[in-house]
Amino acid sequence: RKEVEQDPGPFNVPEGATVAFNCTYSNSASQSFFWYRQDCRKEPKLLMSVYSSGNEDGRFTAQLNRASQYISLLIRDSKLSDSATYLCVVKTFSGGYNKLIFGAGTRLAVHP
Amino acid sequence: DVKVTQSSRYLVKRTGEKVFLECVQDMDHENMFWYRQDPGLGLRLIYFSYDVKMKEKGDIPEGYSVSREKKERFSLILESASTNQTSMYLCASSLGSFQAIQETQYFGPGTRLLVL
Repeated sequence: RKEVEQDPGPFNVPEGATVAFNCTYSNSASQSFFWYRQDCRKEPKLLMSVYSSGNEDGRFTAQLNRASQYISLLIRDSKLSDSATYLCVVKTFSGGYNKLIFGAGTRLAVHP
Repeated sequence: DVKVTQSSRYLVKRTGEKVFLECVQDMDHENMFWYRQDPGLGLRLIYFSYDVKMKEKGDIPEGYSVSREKKERFSLILESASTNQTSMYLCASSLGSFQAIQETQYFGPGTRLLVL
């Protein structure tokens, strides 16, 4: 079983749609959680951290459910520029160090 | 702005060649990382370093080695390239103690390596 699992998609949505991505993680001792965005043939960049109480940044809302080991990202009013791959990332203590564990990503394609 | 640069965007090598991938960051970050990214597998950690001349194995170190002689530079070495090392290689850096809960990583643009 992968440590971080995501639906690979692709999610094809029209502009203005609301879309939600889900992610599950296997290590219950994981400490912190992030969503990164990766454009085609580019490097990953931090989109937002995910806090226990849930947090919002403009059109993006991230939620964490520690009991279910589940993270979500909601994008409202999708724009063409939101087309990218969204990586769910979990920070876990392993082998004496903190490490980032990356999901394989969910691809989003927003069309006119 | 944090800047992480990698020596090549695209590289083609032959099986058995020794390959050097270089990464430089300009923000005085303590921590540096090498990942490879393959379709369906996500990013996997090869090696990381928390200080000059210090290195730690990640999840898939076999067939790789690293060097960190200066704080700003972290090199990944493929001692004898093989076709299963064809991949996208990403370098990253982060500031300060990686024990900080919300510490983030900044990535370079990546090197696409093809081993024939």
